[in-house]
Amino acid sequence: QKEVEQNSGPLSVPEGAIASLNCTYSDRGSQSFFWYRQYSGKSPELIMSIYSNGDKEDGRFTAQLNKASQYVSLLIRDSQPSDSATYLCAVNDGTGKLIFGQGTTLQVKP
Amino acid sequence: NAGVTQTPKFRILKIGQSMTLQCTQDMNHNYMYWYRQDPGMGLKLIYYSVGAGITDKGEVPNGYNVSRSTTEDFPLRLELAAPSQTSVYFCAITQGNSNQPQHFGDGTRLSIL
Repeated sequence: QKEVEQNSGPLSVPEGAIASLNCTYSDRGSQSFFWYRQYSGKSPELIMSIYSNGDKEDGRFTAQLNKASQYVSLLIRDSQPSDSATYLCAVNDGTGKLIFGQGTTLQVKP
Repeated sequence: NAGVTQTPKFRILKIGQSMTLQCTQDMNHNYMYWYRQDPGMGLKLIYYSVGAGITDKGEVPNGYNVSRSTTEDFPLRLELAAPSQTSVYFCAITQGNSNQPQHFGDGTRLSIL
């Protein structure tokens, strides 16, 4: 069974620090990888997509992909209280279907 | 909400009742998906569709049915509601090919008592 694993947290960081969220996946055939942010009671919102090995930066967010290690991470620089949310890692299994991790709850303390 | 409209937003059902959750998109996208999210968990795929007239099962299809008679609409049907189907249901679409990210509607919060 294809699986995506995340530490459920909560991960607590002080305001202005770097938050590091990690995700591992089981299916080596996975083609594309996504990070979603979900505020309590709201729907998932796409924040990063990554398709090839290496880093991809977008503002304060950096996604890192290592296909050999089957590992995806998300770094949030200069964390703000508004970044407090659950972050979902999602992996496309190559057929268009997404497999989601259970999510990591991030708390940014002022 | 990426052009995806879900109705209703909230609903309470009694055990054994049936209902249809509606999902409509206005962007002419082929790929549509239904997920459920239980408290503190990630999303589980129920059914998906790659175009009008084509549907397939996801990870947790039991107790649900879908149809896709038009590109715009992808309703999810619960025939005999059970307490285990209490969840938040999200509809999603993919803009472009199947490797692109999915974008979600606002969700339907369903309680079965």
